[in-house]
Amino acid sequence: DVKVTQSSRYLVKRTGEKVFLECVQDMDHENMFWYRQDPGLGLRLIYFSYDVKMKEKGDIPEGYSVSREKKERFSLILESASTNQTSMYLCASWAGGSGNTIYFGEGSWLTVV
Amino acid sequence: KQEVTQIPAALSVPEGENLVLNCSFTDSAIYNLQWFRQDPGKGLTSLLLIQSSQREQTSGRLNASLDKSSGRSTLYIAASQPGDSATYLCAVRPAGTASKLTFGTGTRLQVTL
Repeated sequence: DVKVTQSSRYLVKRTGEKVFLECVQDMDHENMFWYRQDPGLGLRLIYFSYDVKMKEKGDIPEGYSVSREKKERFSLILESASTNQTSMYLCASWAGGSGNTIYFGEGSWLTVV
Repeated sequence: KQEVTQIPAALSVPEGENLVLNCSFTDSAIYNLQWFRQDPGKGLTSLLLIQSSQREQTSGRLNASLDKSSGRSTLYIAASQPGDSATYLCAVRPAGTASKLTFGTGTRLQVTL
C-alpha cells in the first residue's frame, strides 16, 4: 500500500514564526501536492510538484513556499505564519495517469496564535 | 473555471437504508472523477475512481456512476452501516490540467442505529 506520511499531526505556532510541514511518500510517485482544508471552503491547492526541484503554484500560493529536493519528500514552508493560515494541511501523492488514484496523508493541524 | 457541487451538505439515515450522494460539475471536459471518504480529523481515502471513458465503478457496497454530458456523478451506498458515517467528497481532474483536482465541499453522512 502507498503510504504518505506527514510528520507533524498537530502544531501550535506563534504569528511571525517560520513553519515547516514535511511530507514523505514511499511509492516513487512523480507528483506531490499540498492542500489546505477549511470548513465551507473545501480543499484548495497550495502548490504541487511534478518532479524533483520542480514546482507549480496552485490556487492559493500566497504566503507559502515549497521545497522538493528528493523525490520522496515535499515540504511546505510558511515563511512568516499568520493567524489566517490556521488550517488543516493535507499532503498528497500521485503516480500520474488517468487510472491512478491520488493518495493523501493523515493531515497536519496547524494553529497560529 | 471548473466548479464542483455536492448536495446535500449533510444527510442522516437509519442503518440498512440504501442512499445516493450527488456530485455535479460545470465543465464536462474531465480526465477522471474520484470519490473519497474522510473521517473526522483525518486525511482522505480514495473509494472509487471513474475514468472519463467509463460510466461506473463498483467496490463492495459502493457504486459510482458518471454522466459527463450532464456533469453529474452519483455515489450509491447499499445497506448503510454506522461505520459508513463520514464525509464523502468528490473531485474531478479537468482535462488539460492533469495534475489539478477540483474538490466539492462534501456530504457529511451519519448512519444511525
